[in-house]
Amino acid sequence: AQKITQTQPGMFVQEKEAVTLDCTYDTSDQSYGLFWYKQPSSGEMIFLIYQGSYDEQNATEGRYSLNFQKARKSTNLVISASQLGDSAMYFCAMIPLHGSSYKLIFGSGTRLLVRP
Amino acid sequence: GAGVSQSPRYKVTKRGQDVALRCDPISGHVSLYWYRQALGQGPEFLTYFNYEAQQDKSGLPNDRFSAERPEGSISTLTIQRTEQRDSAMYRCASSSQGYEQYFGPGTRLTVT
Repeated sequence: AQKITQTQPGMFVQEKEAVTLDCTYDTSDQSYGLFWYKQPSSGEMIFLIYQGSYDEQNATEGRYSLNFQKARKSTNLVISASQLGDSAMYFCAMIPLHGSSYKLIFGSGTRLLVRP
Repeated sequence: GAGVSQSPRYKVTKRGQDVALRCDPISGHVSLYWYRQALGQGPEFLTYFNYEAQQDKSGLPNDRFSAERPEGSISTLTIQRTEQRDSAMYRCASSSQGYEQYFGPGTRLTVT
Protein backbone atom coordinates (compact mmCIF):
# COMPACT_ATOMS: atom_id res chain seq x y z
CA ALA A 1 0.00 0.00 0.00
CA GLN A 2 1.13 3.53 -0.71
CA LYS A 3 1.70 5.96 2.12
CA ILE A 4 2.80 9.59 2.40
CA THR A 5 4.47 10.88 5.56
CA GLN A 6 4.87 14.55 6.46
CA THR A 7 6.64 14.74 9.81
CA GLN A 8 6.46 18.50 10.33
CA PRO A 9 3.03 19.52 11.62
CA GLY A 10 4.07 23.18 11.69
CA MET A 11 6.92 25.33 10.41
CA PHE A 12 7.92 28.96 10.79
CA VAL A 13 10.01 30.94 8.31
CA GLN A 14 11.08 34.56 8.15
CA GLU A 15 9.79 36.54 5.18
CA LYS A 16 12.21 36.49 2.21
CA GLU A 17 14.02 33.39 3.47
CA ALA A 18 13.84 29.89 1.96
CA VAL A 19 12.06 27.00 3.63
CA THR A 20 12.01 23.24 3.04
CA LEU A 21 8.96 21.11 3.74
CA ASP A 22 9.68 17.40 4.13
CA CYS A 23 7.81 14.52 2.53
CA THR A 24 8.64 10.84 2.37
CA TYR A 25 6.63 8.16 0.62
CA ASP A 26 6.29 4.42 0.63
CA THR A 27 5.38 2.45 -2.46
CA SER A 28 6.37 -0.73 -4.22
CA ASP A 29 5.40 0.75 -7.58
CA GLN A 30 8.11 1.66 -10.07
CA SER A 31 6.06 4.31 -11.80
CA TYR A 32 4.36 7.04 -9.80
CA GLY A 33 3.81 10.76 -9.60
CA LEU A 34 4.39 13.14 -6.71
CA PHE A 35 2.50 16.37 -6.08
CA TRP A 36 2.40 19.29 -3.72
CA TYR A 37 -0.79 21.23 -3.03
CA LYS A 38 -1.27 24.45 -1.05
CA GLN A 39 -4.35 25.01 1.08
CA PRO A 40 -4.68 28.61 2.36
CA SER A 41 -7.08 29.54 5.14
CA SER A 42 -9.77 30.09 2.49
CA GLY A 43 -9.86 26.31 2.10
CA GLU A 44 -9.16 25.91 -1.60
CA MET A 45 -6.67 23.29 -2.82
CA ILE A 46 -4.11 24.80 -5.18
CA PHE A 47 -1.86 22.59 -7.32
CA LEU A 48 1.78 23.72 -7.01
CA ILE A 49 4.19 21.27 -8.61
CA TYR A 50 4.52 17.73 -10.02
CA GLN A 51 7.41 15.26 -10.24
CA GLY A 52 7.29 11.96 -12.11
CA SER A 53 9.26 9.05 -10.72
CA TYR A 54 11.23 8.72 -13.96
CA ASP A 55 12.02 12.41 -14.26
CA GLU A 56 15.76 12.87 -13.92
CA GLN A 57 15.61 16.59 -13.28
CA ASN A 58 14.11 18.09 -10.14
CA ALA A 59 10.86 19.89 -10.94
CA THR A 60 10.73 23.67 -10.60
CA GLU A 61 7.83 26.12 -10.87
CA GLY A 62 8.73 29.71 -10.13
CA ARG A 63 9.66 29.95 -6.44
CA TYR A 64 8.78 26.28 -5.88
CA SER A 65 11.23 23.46 -6.46
CA LEU A 66 11.46 19.82 -5.46
CA ASN A 67 14.43 18.05 -3.93
CA PHE A 68 13.56 14.60 -5.28
CA GLN A 69 15.69 11.76 -3.91
CA LYS A 70 14.28 8.56 -5.35
CA ALA A 71 16.55 6.17 -3.47
CA ARG A 72 15.51 7.74 -0.17
CA LYS A 73 11.88 8.00 -1.29
CA SER A 74 11.66 11.64 -0.41
CA THR A 75 10.36 14.67 -2.28
CA ASN A 76 10.90 17.80 -0.26
CA LEU A 77 9.35 21.11 -1.34
CA VAL A 78 11.61 24.14 -1.31
CA ILE A 79 9.99 27.57 -1.30
CA SER A 80 12.46 30.34 -2.02
CA ALA A 81 12.08 33.99 -0.97
CA SER A 82 9.07 33.32 1.25
CA GLN A 83 6.17 35.76 1.12
CA LEU A 84 3.44 36.43 3.66
CA GLY A 85 0.95 34.89 1.22
CA ASP A 86 2.80 31.59 1.46
CA SER A 87 1.31 31.05 4.92
CA ALA A 88 -0.90 28.01 4.40
CA MET A 89 -1.23 24.26 4.82
CA TYR A 90 0.89 22.26 2.39
CA PHE A 91 0.05 18.72 1.36
CA CYS A 92 2.30 16.20 -0.32
CA ALA A 93 0.55 13.53 -2.43
CA MET A 94 1.28 10.69 -4.80
CA ILE A 95 -0.46 8.67 -7.49
CA PRO A 96 0.42 5.32 -9.00
CA LEU A 97 0.90 5.68 -12.75
CA HIS A 98 -0.45 2.26 -13.59
CA GLY A 99 -3.93 0.84 -13.51
CA SER A 100 -7.13 2.71 -14.23
CA SER A 101 -7.43 5.05 -11.26
CA TYR A 102 -5.12 7.97 -10.66
CA LYS A 103 -6.33 8.58 -7.14
CA LEU A 104 -4.26 10.92 -5.03
CA ILE A 105 -2.92 9.69 -1.70
CA PHE A 106 -2.24 12.59 0.63
CA GLY A 107 -0.07 13.15 3.66
CA SER A 108 -1.32 14.84 6.81
CA GLY A 109 0.08 18.22 5.81
CA THR A 110 2.47 20.86 7.16
CA ARG A 111 1.24 24.25 8.31
CA LEU A 112 3.66 27.00 7.27
CA LEU A 113 3.62 30.40 8.90
CA VAL A 114 5.66 33.19 7.32
CA ARG A 115 6.74 35.86 9.80
CA PRO A 116 7.15 39.51 8.67
CA GLY B 1 -11.75 29.63 -17.95
CA ALA B 2 -14.09 28.49 -15.19
CA GLY B 3 -12.71 26.12 -12.59
CA VAL B 4 -14.39 23.23 -10.82
CA SER B 5 -17.56 24.31 -9.09
CA GLN B 6 -19.42 22.58 -6.28
CA SER B 7 -22.79 23.16 -4.71
CA PRO B 8 -23.93 23.75 -2.15
CA ARG B 9 -20.88 25.29 -0.49
CA TYR B 10 -22.34 24.58 2.95
CA LYS B 11 -24.92 22.01 3.96
CA VAL B 12 -26.35 21.45 7.42
CA THR B 13 -28.60 18.44 7.74
CA LYS B 14 -30.14 16.41 10.49
CA ARG B 15 -28.99 12.90 11.22
CA GLY B 16 -30.91 10.39 9.13
CA GLN B 17 -31.57 12.72 6.19
CA ASP B 18 -30.23 12.12 2.68
CA VAL B 19 -27.97 14.70 1.02
CA ALA B 20 -26.83 15.20 -2.57
CA LEU B 21 -23.62 17.08 -3.36
CA ARG B 22 -23.00 18.35 -6.85
CA CYS B 23 -19.78 18.79 -8.80
CA ASP B 24 -19.38 20.58 -12.13
CA PRO B 25 -15.90 19.83 -13.52
CA ILE B 26 -13.76 21.98 -15.80
CA SER B 27 -15.18 21.82 -19.30
CA GLY B 28 -13.60 19.00 -21.30
CA HIS B 29 -12.08 17.21 -18.34
CA VAL B 30 -12.82 13.51 -18.70
CA SER B 31 -11.73 12.41 -15.23
CA LEU B 32 -13.58 13.32 -12.05
CA TYR B 33 -12.69 12.44 -8.48
CA TRP B 34 -14.43 12.77 -5.13
CA TYR B 35 -12.46 13.16 -1.89
CA ARG B 36 -13.38 13.72 1.74
CA GLN B 37 -11.29 15.88 4.03
CA ALA B 38 -11.64 15.84 7.80
CA LEU B 39 -10.50 18.90 9.73
CA GLY B 40 -6.72 19.09 10.00
CA GLN B 41 -6.11 16.15 7.69
CA GLY B 42 -5.35 15.54 4.04
CA PRO B 43 -8.12 14.60 1.60
CA GLU B 44 -9.03 10.92 1.30
CA PHE B 45 -10.12 9.35 -1.97
CA LEU B 46 -13.73 8.27 -2.33
CA THR B 47 -14.42 7.48 -5.98
CA TYR B 48 -13.31 8.13 -9.57
CA PHE B 49 -15.08 8.51 -12.93
CA ASN B 50 -13.65 8.33 -16.41
CA TYR B 51 -16.30 9.97 -18.58
CA GLU B 52 -19.53 8.44 -17.24
CA ALA B 53 -17.98 5.18 -16.06
CA GLN B 54 -17.27 4.78 -12.36
CA GLN B 55 -13.84 3.18 -12.53
CA ASP B 56 -12.97 3.05 -8.87
CA LYS B 57 -15.24 3.25 -5.84
CA SER B 58 -12.87 1.61 -3.40
CA GLY B 59 -12.82 4.64 -1.12
CA LEU B 60 -16.56 4.85 -0.47
CA PRO B 61 -16.83 4.05 3.25
CA ASN B 62 -20.08 2.06 3.11
CA ASP B 63 -23.19 1.50 1.02
CA ARG B 64 -24.81 4.71 2.24
CA PHE B 65 -22.46 6.53 -0.12
CA SER B 66 -22.99 6.50 -3.87
CA ALA B 67 -22.00 8.62 -6.83
CA GLU B 68 -23.01 9.04 -10.43
CA ARG B 69 -21.97 10.96 -13.52
CA PRO B 70 -24.63 9.98 -16.04
CA GLU B 71 -23.58 12.19 -18.98
CA GLY B 72 -19.88 12.30 -18.31
CA SER B 73 -19.93 15.86 -16.99
CA ILE B 74 -21.73 16.85 -13.77
CA SER B 75 -21.46 14.39 -10.91
CA THR B 76 -23.53 13.89 -7.79
CA LEU B 77 -22.35 12.32 -4.55
CA THR B 78 -25.25 11.08 -2.45
CA ILE B 79 -25.14 10.15 1.21
CA GLN B 80 -28.18 8.35 2.54
CA ARG B 81 -29.26 8.29 6.19
CA THR B 82 -26.52 10.70 7.21
CA GLU B 83 -24.64 10.20 10.46
CA GLN B 84 -22.61 12.67 12.51
CA ARG B 85 -19.38 10.95 11.45
CA ASP B 86 -20.18 11.96 7.86
CA SER B 87 -19.47 15.60 8.75
CA ALA B 88 -16.50 16.75 6.67
CA MET B 89 -15.44 18.78 3.64
CA TYR B 90 -16.32 16.93 0.44
CA ARG B 91 -14.09 17.89 -2.46
CA CYS B 92 -14.37 17.22 -6.15
CA ALA B 93 -11.45 17.34 -8.58
CA SER B 94 -11.16 16.98 -12.32
CA SER B 95 -8.35 16.37 -14.77
CA SER B 96 -7.85 16.11 -18.52
CA GLN B 97 -5.25 13.83 -20.06
CA GLY B 98 -2.51 14.75 -17.62
CA TYR B 99 -2.05 13.78 -14.01
CA GLU B 100 -2.73 17.14 -12.36
CA GLN B 101 -6.06 17.27 -10.58
CA TYR B 102 -7.79 20.60 -10.09
CA PHE B 103 -9.96 20.87 -7.03
CA GLY B 104 -13.24 22.63 -6.47
CA PRO B 105 -13.96 24.79 -3.40
CA GLY B 106 -15.62 21.88 -1.58
CA THR B 107 -18.92 21.39 0.22
CA ARG B 108 -18.78 21.64 4.00
CA LEU B 109 -21.26 19.09 5.33
CA THR B 110 -22.41 19.27 8.93
CA VAL B 111 -24.69 16.57 10.30
CA THR B 112 -26.44 17.55 13.51
